[in-house]
Amino acid sequence: QVQLQESGPGLVKPSETLSLTCTVSGGSISNYYWIWIRQAPGKGLEWIGHIYYSGSTNYNPSLKSRVTISVDMSKNQFSLKLNSVTAADTAVYYCARAAAAGVYGWFDPWGQGTLVTVSS
Amino acid sequence: DIVMTQSPDSLAVSLGERATINCKSSQSLFYSSNNKNYLAWYHQRPGQPPKLLIYWASTRESGVPDRFSGSGSGTDFTLTISSLQAEDVAVYYCQQYYSTPQTFGQGTKVEIK
Repeated sequence: QVQLQESGPGLVKPSETLSLTCTVSGGSISNYYWIWIRQAPGKGLEWIGHIYYSGSTNYNPSLKSRVTISVDMSKNQFSLKLNSVTAADTAVYYCARAAAAGVYGWFDPWGQGTLVTVSS
Repeated sequence: DIVMTQSPDSLAVSLGERATINCKSSQSLFYSSNNKNYLAWYHQRPGQPPKLLIYWASTRESGVPDRFSGSGSGTDFTLTISSLQAEDVAVYYCQQYYSTPQTFGQGTKVEIK
């Protein structure tokens, strides 16, 4: 059973870079799309972007200028970098996998999520 | 971007009664080439990540109780909980994967009356 776990700093200063890693266990990174989604406190879900195991990416245009998603197959991990953060980037960040191989559609499983607060 | 609008924002239903949640997309999610609607449903219990319930608008995920069903096509979709149980208290989200950026509805909070 594939499990995902987010890791990274819980506090980031304004204007700095938010960096998170998602470690995949119980399965391989290969053949799937891997996704980052965030949820601001008390708000809904926002798709940040995805990466295919081959390295091709697609980002939300609202964040595209600040986002980089990368994959490290040797470590079975993928990562998120969001630069020039502001308080508006405070959210729970989830990593997830597209449920079907080769299809970027619906998401399952999800990580438990990690709260990142942007504050000085 | 495709805008997803859910209604109502919240509803309270008695245990054992039916709950119905609607989701409307700003453009059709139906692909005629494969006859599929690119829509999924999730629920999210407090402090938990979202959990997949339904994909292709009406296909129940493995292990999801059959009291959950999805219907609709094109731009109008419905999630029905046929007999509400205490563990169904959650926020429910629809999601379109017809195009990127993939987008979610604002959520519908389901509570016990």
